[in-house]
Amino acid sequence: AQSVAQPEDQVNVAEGNPLTVKCTYSVSGNPYLFWYVQYPNRGLQFLLKYITGDNLVKGSYGFEAEFNKSQTSFHLKKPSALVSDSALYFCAVGGNQGGKLIFGQGTELSVKP
Amino acid sequence: DAGITQSPRYKITETGRQVTLMCHQTWSHSYMFWYRQDLGHGLRLIYYSAAADITDKGEVPDGYVVSRSKTENFPLTLESATRSQTSVYFCASSEGETQYFGPGTRLLVL
Repeated sequence: AQSVAQPEDQVNVAEGNPLTVKCTYSVSGNPYLFWYVQYPNRGLQFLLKYITGDNLVKGSYGFEAEFNKSQTSFHLKKPSALVSDSALYFCAVGGNQGGKLIFGQGTELSVKP
Repeated sequence: DAGITQSPRYKITETGRQVTLMCHQTWSHSYMFWYRQDLGHGLRLIYYSAAADITDKGEVPDGYVVSRSKTENFPLTLESATRSQTSVYFCASSEGETQYFGPGTRLLVL
């Protein structure tokens, strides 16, 4: 069975510092991996995805993620955090399931000035 | 370009009542999904549909009914609402791997 874990409920970062939001997954076969962001009282917005190819994936708003097959991880990163990056971040895994995604519990990112 | 819309955005109902949440997408995506979001559980899949007249259960389908007579619409019905169904409900659609989400419906069952 597919699963995804976000080990940190909350991540606190100072503005201007690099940020990392962690995600690990378990899937049989080749994974499709996604990051979504949710701002308060809004729906989820797609940030980036890994399907195949280069392990470093670049997405919206300056975010990127690195696929690491040996560690079964797909951590979200940004070189310099902004206060406006404060939101709830979800990692998700999909694959040969007719488009279904399994979501992690979410990580609350707080960026302080 | 309206994308994907949900209605109502907020709903208060009472235990035992039937409630229908609407989802409409303008992209003609084949796949549509219903999720519920609860604190500590992330998003859990309720039902999904691969095309008109094709639906299947997700992780938490009990107490819910769906239909998909048209590609663009995917209503979710709570046949007899319970307090445990108080949640935020999200609809999503996709044509490839990426799902695109609606703004959500916040449902309170008293």
